[in-house]
Order: sequence, then C-alpha cells, then structure tokens
Amino acid sequence: DAKTTQPPSMDCAEGRAANLPCNHSTISGNEYVYWYRQIHSQGPQYIIHGLKNNETNEMASLIITEDRKSSTLILPHATLRDTAVYYCIVRAREGTGTASKLTFGTGTRLQVTL
Amino acid sequence: ETGVTQSPTHLIKTRGQQVTLRCSSQSGHNTVSWYQQALGQGPQFIFQYYREEENGRGNFPPRFSGLQFPNYSSELNVNALELDDSALYLCASSTQLRGNTEAFFGQGTRLTVV
Repeated sequence: DAKTTQPPSMDCAEGRAANLPCNHSTISGNEYVYWYRQIHSQGPQYIIHGLKNNETNEMASLIITEDRKSSTLILPHATLRDTAVYYCIVRAREGTGTASKLTFGTGTRLQVTL
Repeated sequence: ETGVTQSPTHLIKTRGQQVTLRCSSQSGHNTVSWYQQALGQGPQFIFQYYREEENGRGNFPPRFSGLQFPNYSSELNVNALELDDSALYLCASSTQLRGNTEAFFGQGTRLTVV
C-alpha cells in the first residue's frame, strides 16, 4: 500500500471548515483513498473514501486532485466533537477473499477550539 | 455504535502469561481484522480472518494467533506476554461479499502487561 504524509497537528475554530491535507504521491491506479478518525481512547471511525472523483457524505467531503497525488478531507462546520486524530490511508481495491488491511500512519491531530 | 463489540474492555496480565481477547462482528460481516495500537501510534495490522481462515498477516510473531468461528466472531490469543505487548487491541469487521468496503471498529481492549 502507498505511503501517506499528513501534518502532525492542526487547529480549527468551531463553526469553521476544517481542511485536512494528505499527500500520497506514490498512489497507484487501483488504490482508493480512505479517511478514518479516532477520538481519544475509542476505535477508529470510518469517514469517507474515494478513487478519483470528489465524494461527499453526511460527515465530510473528500477532494482528490486530478493527478491523485494528494487529497483534502473537509469538515464543513467543525464542532468540538470533531477533535480527534484523522488518518488518511490508501488501499488497493480488494477482491473476495483477499486481505483488506488498513495501513495507518500517525495521522493529523485536529484540535477544534471555541 | 458500529455493532462491533470487544471484551474485555480492560485487562492486566503478568509477563509470560497468555491472554485471549474476543470480538463480535457486525451482523452480516464475514471478515474480522485485528490491530494493535501502541500509545501515540496508529493501529498496526496483526491479521485478518475470512470464513474461519487466516487471510493475511502483518509483521507479528507466531505467539499472536487467532480464531474465527462460524458466526464470524473472533478471538485473538497472545502467548508468552511481553511488556511491549501493552497496547490497545482493536477488532474491525467488514464484508468480503464485494470489494472495497469500509471496516467498522470496536472500542478496543486495553491490555496492560506488568
């Protein structure tokens, strides 16, 4: 799986958009970009994933550059409850019966403040 | 709530002992993965089980072993515990009915080895 690079920490004011960048310059054509977050002492929580098109769900938006070498997770209106470590992961599309491991880095610690 | 439950939530063991951690996967999920998360680090993939067979393994020694049962629940066994085995152990369930699905994590078991 391709390696990702994320800033170790970011701050965001409550109510503002949080934009979390991720570099994955060695991503290959069959690899998806996944985002998970982990609130202190809890299990990681799935947020969103995408291949090459921008994606949006009820939690966040994912913007992937045209060359797919980087992406940005956007939390449109950050709240205090969004304070967590955010992990960007790239993973190949898996077929039935093959291992689908997630390779976590150290992530970005997002602190949302009043 | 992800529907993935782990037990126990906390555990203290002595070096050299053996431990068994348990995971009940989300309904309809046939794949279980286990991760170890040391303090301040991202989760590290231990292994994955699919249809009761080990289906991929990370860089962990053989004293880390597992089982998956017909109802898709799973156990992680660690023999000859070492101090460095102290960590949060996470279980994630997913489905291999189609490729590229997200994994849902439990809240983890905090293991302390003294």
